[in-house]
Amino acid sequence: QQPVQSPQAVILREGEDAVINCSSSKALYSVHWYRQKHGEAPVFLMILLKGGEQKGHEKISASFNEKKQQSSLYLTASQLSYSGTYFCGTERAGNMLTFGGGTRLMVKP
Amino acid sequence: GAGVSQSPSNKVTEKGKDVELRCDPISGHTALYWYRQRLGQGLEFLIYFQGNSAPDKSGLPSDRFSAERTGESVSTLTIQRTQQEDSAVYLCASSLDPGLGYGYTFGSGTRLTVV
Repeated sequence: QQPVQSPQAVILREGEDAVINCSSSKALYSVHWYRQKHGEAPVFLMILLKGGEQKGHEKISASFNEKKQQSSLYLTASQLSYSGTYFCGTERAGNMLTFGGGTRLMVKP
Repeated sequence: GAGVSQSPSNKVTEKGKDVELRCDPISGHTALYWYRQRLGQGLEFLIYFQGNSAPDKSGLPSDRFSAERTGESVSTLTIQRTQQEDSAVYLCASSLDPGLGYGYTFGSGTRLTVV
């Protein structure tokens, strides 16, 4: 079952913060986050494992609430290069990723 | 190679023809995945290969779709009797060991257009 992402789209000014949420109705083993720029392949950002901690990548970090089966991606002090579509992918143990519908992020100067 | 390689990068075919898409994963990656992405949409799972285990074909949309993988190397996705709704970007990804928390590396995809 496809995880639900929110919001579907967000527009920011450079330097502003954003939060993207991902929720699933199924018990999860891990949550992945990817960013895809227009016309390019998705690029892996980070993975959060069940029982894992909050992780960070430059000014992008994420959390995973196992009880609620929810993950959030935090983008702080956004840069123009952060623009793209963000996908969460949820994994049940031993299985492949099921991706959400994506969140389109546009950062303006 | 350094990344996941897919060929062709673009393919235009006539409705009813068969097409074969190729994916060359990163050497040593045991897991290989095929996804489909329609314009402006998310990634739709098609099939998953893990080592020598039987592939997970649960995402294949019809029996016109099939895929093979030779050992832990090249994979081919075949679409028979193509239809216009098959038009999409077909993405291949590989992973070192998904059970240990490794992410996926995606190829640049094959853009398939059925006319």
